[in-house]
Amino acid sequence: DAKTTQPPSMDCAEGRAANLPCNHSTISGNEYVYWYRQIHSQGPQYIIHGLKNNETNEMASLIITEDRKSSTLILPHATLRDTAVYYCIVSNEKLTFGTGTRLTIIP
Amino acid sequence: GAVVSQHPSRVICKSGTSVKIECRSLDFQATTMFWYRQFPKKSLMLMATSNEGSKATYEQGVEKDKFLINHASLTLSTLTVTSAHPEDSSFYICSASGMVNTEAFFGQGTRLTVV
Repeated sequence: DAKTTQPPSMDCAEGRAANLPCNHSTISGNEYVYWYRQIHSQGPQYIIHGLKNNETNEMASLIITEDRKSSTLILPHATLRDTAVYYCIVSNEKLTFGTGTRLTIIP
Repeated sequence: GAVVSQHPSRVICKSGTSVKIECRSLDFQATTMFWYRQFPKKSLMLMATSNEGSKATYEQGVEKDKFLINHASLTLSTLTVTSAHPEDSSFYICSASGMVNTEAFFGQGTRLTVV
């Protein structure tokens, strides 16, 4: 599976959009981009995934660059409950977790 | 999203005993299940992948005789930690997927403490 690079931590003000970047320059053609988050001492929660088109669901939007070498997860209106570690994973089979981004929402 | 239930959520066992952790997909058929372990302040580490009705595929460095995985049905996989030792104390998490290139859903995790 391709490796991903994410900033170790980010802060975002409550109510603002949180934009979490991810680099995956070695992604191959059949690998999807997945985003999960983990709140302390819980199992990871699925957020969104995509192949090459931008995706949106009730939780977030996923913007994938045209060359697919990077992506951005957007939480449109961050709340305190969005504080978590966010993992960007590229895969066509098993999910291998990197170190993720620790997002802290500031009141 | 789909529901994956893991049981027990916490377990304390004595050194040398075995512990079984169950992972159930409650509202979909899971052709593939994954088992992870996570140490404090660390990321999830994939231990093994299991497909229903076949032997599990273990990641490098994971002892298959110590961590027994059974995936006997499309809704249930079990992980048995055999002859547990204090260094096996960890947070064990399962996930289940219905099809390739679809999202996997995770259980709530099992915190194992070996004393």
